[in-house]
Amino acid sequence: KAGVTQTPRYLIKTRGQQVTLSCSPISGHRSVSWYQQTPGQGLQFLFEYFSETQRNKGNFPGRFSGRQFSNSRSEMNVSTLELGDSALYLCASSLAQGSTEAFFGQGTRLTVV
Amino acid sequence: SQQGEEDPQALSIQEGENATMNCSYKTSINNLQWYRQNSGRGLVHLILIRSNEREKHSGRLRVTLDTSKKSSSLLITASRAADTASYFCATDVYNNNDMRFGAGTRLTVKP
Repeated sequence: KAGVTQTPRYLIKTRGQQVTLSCSPISGHRSVSWYQQTPGQGLQFLFEYFSETQRNKGNFPGRFSGRQFSNSRSEMNVSTLELGDSALYLCASSLAQGSTEAFFGQGTRLTVV
Repeated sequence: SQQGEEDPQALSIQEGENATMNCSYKTSINNLQWYRQNSGRGLVHLILIRSNEREKHSGRLRVTLDTSKKSSSLLITASRAADTASYFCATDVYNNNDMRFGAGTRLTVKP
């Protein structure tokens, strides 16, 4: 069974640009969550999608958005990039909501210059 | 916001020794999961323990949960150099996959 696949693995963008990251969950998993990891703030929850609907959202500005497609694949978008958005963005896949193991992809390393 | 606090922040041991990491959290939880991360890569799922469970084992790993003290511990027995990584606990408060992570424990196992 293939694991969680995130693309691209590495990305360099300029301030003010926008970026789209992609996550393909484990086959059969319907929940996809996104996290931002930085040295200063650690791992922080961005949002979670289940059955194409955003169910939960963390404390991030509206520049961070996402969506989920009918095949459970998810994308997150960050507009008007800031230097502080440089981070490792991790996607987690779960079978369903609540009390199930969450499996992570390798992440997308975003650098904003 | 972070929910869990791992202790210690860093731990250095010799191969073959046991490593114990602790995690404390602030609010009631539905489950707690432990993860391993190698140098800025993805997180590897180790164990999930539910709020009504007290102990779980998986190979050389043993996790305990004390909901009265709002704490959990991860024990790695007979450690190996390959166990060198950062270890995180994550709590699911609302049973909705919104997991709150601690800052992690950096474990170094010397050969």
